[in-house]
Amino acid sequence: EAGVAQSPRYKIIEKRQSVAFWCNPISGHATLYWYQQILGQGPKLLIQFQNNGVVDDSQLPKDRFSAERLKGVDSTLKIQPAKLEDSAVYLCASSLPTGSEAFFGQGTRLTVV
Amino acid sequence: AQSVTQPDIHITVSEGASLELRCNYSYGATPYLFWYVQSPGQGLQLLLKYFSGDTLVQGIKGFEAEFKRSQSSFNLRKPSVHWSDAAEYFCAVALNDYKLSFGAGTTVTVRA
Repeated sequence: EAGVAQSPRYKIIEKRQSVAFWCNPISGHATLYWYQQILGQGPKLLIQFQNNGVVDDSQLPKDRFSAERLKGVDSTLKIQPAKLEDSAVYLCASSLPTGSEAFFGQGTRLTVV
Repeated sequence: AQSVTQPDIHITVSEGASLELRCNYSYGATPYLFWYVQSPGQGLQLLLKYFSGDTLVQGIKGFEAEFKRSQSSFNLRKPSVHWSDAAEYFCAVALNDYKLSFGAGTTVTVRA
């Protein structure tokens, strides 16, 4: 069974530039999550989708971050403009609608210089 | 306020020795409890989870965890560690919505 796919694996950008991350969840997983993991901290939930609808985006900095899930499958997370403090690993996870276990991708490591 | 605490930032253990990682939570109700492991450059892998029932939970890779309601704890244990257990370990909790809240993590170093 294929896992959660994320790309790119690494990205280095200058502050004030924009960047986008892509996630393909496990087939059949209706729930998709984006987490931000800053060095030395645990992952923090940014946004949760159920199919193509947003369930929770209370922790998403909406002035610069946006996310969408087209057709309830793939998802993209965008940052525009990036700040130094956005340097982190961005993890995508997916699960069945009943929850129980979230499966994580390998993440995208973003460095903002 | 709801929180998950992992008191130990870093633990060093000898190969073959036992390992115990601590996790405490502060929630209004008993949440669902999880332990994840993250190897360098990898995503998070679920080791085990507790929803209800037997308070001693067996997981993958020889790990187990014990839920203690009176102490609001969910400590992870392994009787004999292997060099491949060197990684970062995260305790996480969730309510009925299954949205995970993670602790800050404990880094485990295994020495030969």
